Amino acid sequence: GAVVSQHPSWVICKSGTSVKIECRSLDFQATTMFWYRQFPKQSLMLMATSNEGSKATYEQGVEKDKFLINHASLTLSTLTVTSAHPEDSSFYICSASGTSGSGEQFFGPGTRLTVL
Amino acid sequence: GQQVMQIPQYQHVQEGEDFTTYCNSSTTLSNIQWYKQRPGGHPVFLIQLVKSGEVKKQKRLTFQFGEAKKNSSLHITATQTTDVGTYFCAGRGTGFQKLVFGTGTRLLVSP
Repeated sequence: GAVVSQHPSWVICKSGTSVKIECRSLDFQATTMFWYRQFPKQSLMLMATSNEGSKATYEQGVEKDKFLINHASLTLSTLTVTSAHPEDSSFYICSASGTSGSGEQFFGPGTRLTVL
Repeated sequence: GQQVMQIPQYQHVQEGEDFTTYCNSSTTLSNIQWYKQRPGGHPVFLIQLVKSGEVKKQKRLTFQFGEAKKNSSLHITATQTTDVGTYFCAGRGTGFQKLVFGTGTRLLVSP
């Protein structure tokens, strides 16, 4: 199956700093990638849909200026959490749709962000 | 907006017992997917159902899509400790819409 990687797998930062998370599709091209946030023991909440070469589509309630998404190539999307605060601490997971048209989404291993 | 609920939220069974999780959408779905997330891991795709009333089996797992395409179920026969994890359904509305994840059912299996 298709492989999606994320980097870093975990990060601890001070309040007020910015953190960049990378999502890569390793063996396929992903025109669309998705960014989710998951709090402990809760479901995945879609934050935004990232389209290669165009602006991301954000879900209602997600601040565009705080969660910057860049999808510069068919294999890389980045999420930057700007001026992070403790309430931004969460598990951030990206996913990408394959090219088979099956609708299956392949998830990255996730990034656990802790803001002190 | 579209909401997808799952019941139960949590279930603890003895190894060998059966398990079922139910998924209900507030709107009609074009398709539904099921994912499994192990503790500390990421969601892994299990299956996709598209047709009304569709039933698919994967070894001990049986997936069903309701006739009205608003609900679905996952049944595990004779659970094993390796079945531990959270099972999410995820529904996509008609037209190309985003995948909305259900609330999840956490399964614990004791040996």
